[in-house]
Amino acid sequence: DTVLTQSPALAVSPGERVSISCRASEGVNSYMHWYQQKPGQQPKLLIYKASNLASGVPARFSGSGSGTDFTLTIDPVEADDTATYFCQQSWNDPRTFGGGTKLELK
Amino acid sequence: EVQLVESGGGLVQPGRSLKLSCAASGFTFSNYYMAWVRQAPTKGLEWVASITNSGGSTYYRDSVKGRFTISRDNAKSTLYLQMDSLRSEDTATYYCTRDRDYSRYFDFWGPGTMVTVSS
Repeated sequence: DTVLTQSPALAVSPGERVSISCRASEGVNSYMHWYQQKPGQQPKLLIYKASNLASGVPARFSGSGSGTDFTLTIDPVEADDTATYFCQQSWNDPRTFGGGTKLELK
Repeated sequence: EVQLVESGGGLVQPGRSLKLSCAASGFTFSNYYMAWVRQAPTKGLEWVASITNSGGSTYYRDSVKGRFTISRDNAKSTLYLQMDSLRSEDTATYYCTRDRDYSRYFDFWGPGTMVTVSS
């Protein structure tokens, strides 16, 4: 299976820019997607196919990358962005998710 | 507004069965692939199974093949997951998701239903 590796946690101050990385154990072309999960809630799609903003998602969120290295950027970070962020690849079967990066605000 | 609402979760003994349902609304259900994704307590996400819009094809992760069955009733806009021979490692919150068939991401998620497999 394709393993997606994310840093476990990050802490930033409101108004700053944060980049959350996801590295794939093998190439996934541009088929990387990002989700936000707040405590006690279901995941919500943020970015699909590496860089496409999902409907209703603020333009503060953006995605980049291809192949094995991908980044989700939030600029500027707001207090409401406290959540865990997951990447997911769909180029290889089975589809897999990263372990998640917990974003905390200072 | 797209809505997905799961039901049917609960506590079940190892080796027993459980059937989950997901009621969909706010979109033309028969036009979309659907999927189940699960999340074990304090763990990450794991794709479980998918089904094409017609129900003609189904896909499973290896660990549930032969034990779980995904199905749908397009007339009722409802997705199902029949889970047999349950194991402790199946304990998780199960999310019903709308599955985008070409790029294969999950664009809408239900709130989830908890399944606990324990004696």
